[in-house]
Amino acid sequence: AQSVTQLDSQVPVFEEAPVELRCNYSSSVSVYLFWYVQYPNQGLQLLLKYLSGSTLVKGINGFEAEFNKSQTSFHLRKPSVHISDTAEYFCAVSDRGSGGSYIPTFGRGTSLIVHP
Amino acid sequence: SQTIHQWPATLVQPVGSPLSLECTVEGTSNPNLYWYRQAAGRGLQLLFYSVGIGQISSEVPQNLSASRPQDRQFILSSKKLLLSDSGFYLCAWSVPGTVTRQYFGPGTRLTVT
Repeated sequence: AQSVTQLDSQVPVFEEAPVELRCNYSSSVSVYLFWYVQYPNQGLQLLLKYLSGSTLVKGINGFEAEFNKSQTSFHLRKPSVHISDTAEYFCAVSDRGSGGSYIPTFGRGTSLIVHP
Repeated sequence: SQTIHQWPATLVQPVGSPLSLECTVEGTSNPNLYWYRQAAGRGLQLLFYSVGIGQISSEVPQNLSASRPQDRQFILSSKKLLLSDSGFYLCAWSVPGTVTRQYFGPGTRLTVT
């Protein structure tokens, strides 16, 4: 069974500062990892994904994440945040389930709050 | 291009009343479809998913049900709402048989009073 732990429920940061949102996962098989962003009262949008290949993945809005298999982590980073990055961020893991389906498991989310 | 619609956007219903939320996808065929509920501070809870017409898998036993009467239509229902059913309901779709992203709808905010 797969699981995802987002270690921080809330991360406050000042504008133009760097930020890291942490995500750890557990799975018994090869995994595929995703970060989504959710702005208030909206659906989720994909930020980036890791399926295979380079462990450093670049996404939209200047975000990047690094897949670390030995530490079972997929932390999200941005070198300089903007006020507009204030949102909820979800990490998700997916592996091949029964019948060939890929049902993702989501973390509880991290609320990024950017202060001016 | 593909789009996903959900309605209504907001809904206020009394305890014990029925519920019907609708989700439709355009621009793709035979998608995998999902219903999630998001309660405050509790992340996304997968409620149902469907890999085809009439094929529904339930992840959480509760007073909700789902149906897929057409290929690109997914309906979430309840005969009698509970206070605990309040939350933000999200529909999503993905390409079947592959590891890929999910595409989420705009959501429905349900308040049970």
